[in-house]
Amino acid sequence: QKEVEQNSGPLSVPEGAIASLNCTYSDRGSQSFFWYRQYSGKSPELIMFIYSNGDKEDGRFTAQLNKASQYVSLLIRDSQPSDSATYLCAGPANYGQNFVFGPGTRLSVLP
Amino acid sequence: DAGITQSPRHKVTETGTPVTLRCHQTENHRYMYWYRQDPGHGLRLIHYSYGVKDTDKGEVSDGYSVSRSKTEDFLLTLESATSSQTSVYFCAISENRDRDHTQYFGPGTRLTVL
Repeated sequence: QKEVEQNSGPLSVPEGAIASLNCTYSDRGSQSFFWYRQYSGKSPELIMFIYSNGDKEDGRFTAQLNKASQYVSLLIRDSQPSDSATYLCAGPANYGQNFVFGPGTRLSVLP
Repeated sequence: DAGITQSPRHKVTETGTPVTLRCHQTENHRYMYWYRQDPGHGLRLIHYSYGVKDTDKGEVSDGYSVSRSKTEDFLLTLESATSSQTSVYFCAISENRDRDHTQYFGPGTRLTVL
């Protein structure tokens, strides 16, 4: 069974700082990864997905994929209190086009 | 929520009773999924569907069955609810086109089995 691991946190950063969230995965052949944000009591919402090695930027968010080291990271620049949420990393599962999700990292941005 | 609704949004039931949760989409996406989310376990796949009448098991399928008779509806049934099935249930949809396998989630159903 393919696995995706995350530090559950909580990760606390001051407002305006860079938040760095990390995810490691077990299958060296995995090609694409997704980052979701989930506010308490709400459903997960997509932040971005990354397919190739290197960085992908979207506004204040940058996803980094390092296939050789088997980790994916999400950087949030200029963190805001509204970024406080649980961030879920997802990678390909063993079957079909399905995902396996990590347990999530809880981020707290302190004003 | 990308045109996805779930019903009911909250349900309290007793052990041993059957329960059916409904997911309805207006996006005409081919793939539909049922997940449960529990503290410490994250999201775990129960069943998924890759077309009308085409379904398969996920990681935690025991005690659950699904049906998909129309593209827009995916039903999850707990045949005889147990307290261990108390959870938040999320439906998700995706097109799985090219390299984009993005899944979009519904608002969730909070189920309590007493």
